[in-house]
Amino acid sequence: QKEVEQNSGPLSVPEGAIASLNCTYSDRGSQSFFWYRQYSGKSPELIMSIYSNGDKEDGRFTAQLNKASQYVSLLIRDSQPSDSATYLCAVNGGRGGSQGNLIFGKGTKLSVKP
Amino acid sequence: ETGVTQSPTHLIKTRGQQVTLRCSSQSGHNTVSWYQQALGQGPQFIFQYYREEENGRGNFPPRFSGLQFPNYSSELNVNALELDDSALYLCASSSQGVADTQYFGPGTRLTVL
Repeated sequence: QKEVEQNSGPLSVPEGAIASLNCTYSDRGSQSFFWYRQYSGKSPELIMSIYSNGDKEDGRFTAQLNKASQYVSLLIRDSQPSDSATYLCAVNGGRGGSQGNLIFGKGTKLSVKP
Repeated sequence: ETGVTQSPTHLIKTRGQQVTLRCSSQSGHNTVSWYQQALGQGPQFIFQYYREEENGRGNFPPRFSGLQFPNYSSELNVNALELDDSALYLCASSSQGVADTQYFGPGTRLTVL
């Protein structure tokens, strides 16, 4: 059974701080990793995808992947109240980048306090 | 906005009834995946359609079935509704050969009474 684990939170950070969200996955053969943001009552919105070990930066967001440790993280710099949402980590359940299903964690709820 | 549309937005059914949910994929996308998201949980994969064929299925019973049409739009059908089927149903579209990034529609909120 392939699993994705996230701390459910809530994670509370002050405005302007760095929010750090973490995720571990069970399938060592996983190739593709995604972070989605989900506001209450809305659908998931893609923030980042990462495929190789190391860091990938996009604006205030940095995704980090460590395949040896089976660990993915998302850093949000200069956190804003509008970043308050649930962050879902997803791992592709297929092999070799094929069009497989996404396996999601339960999500971490982030609250950014003004 | 992702360009993925779903209908209806909300739906209320009673136990034992049948329901059909619809999804139009983003322009240029030929793959549609359906997910069920219960309250407080991450989305769970139901099945995926590629070129009108089922291309993978999650751990859902046969009363969950689907279709994909030549224009790549898709339907999710659920028969014999149960109370536990109450959830947000999400459709995601993607394109074979362009990584495997999936873009979600707004979802259909199904309530089973």
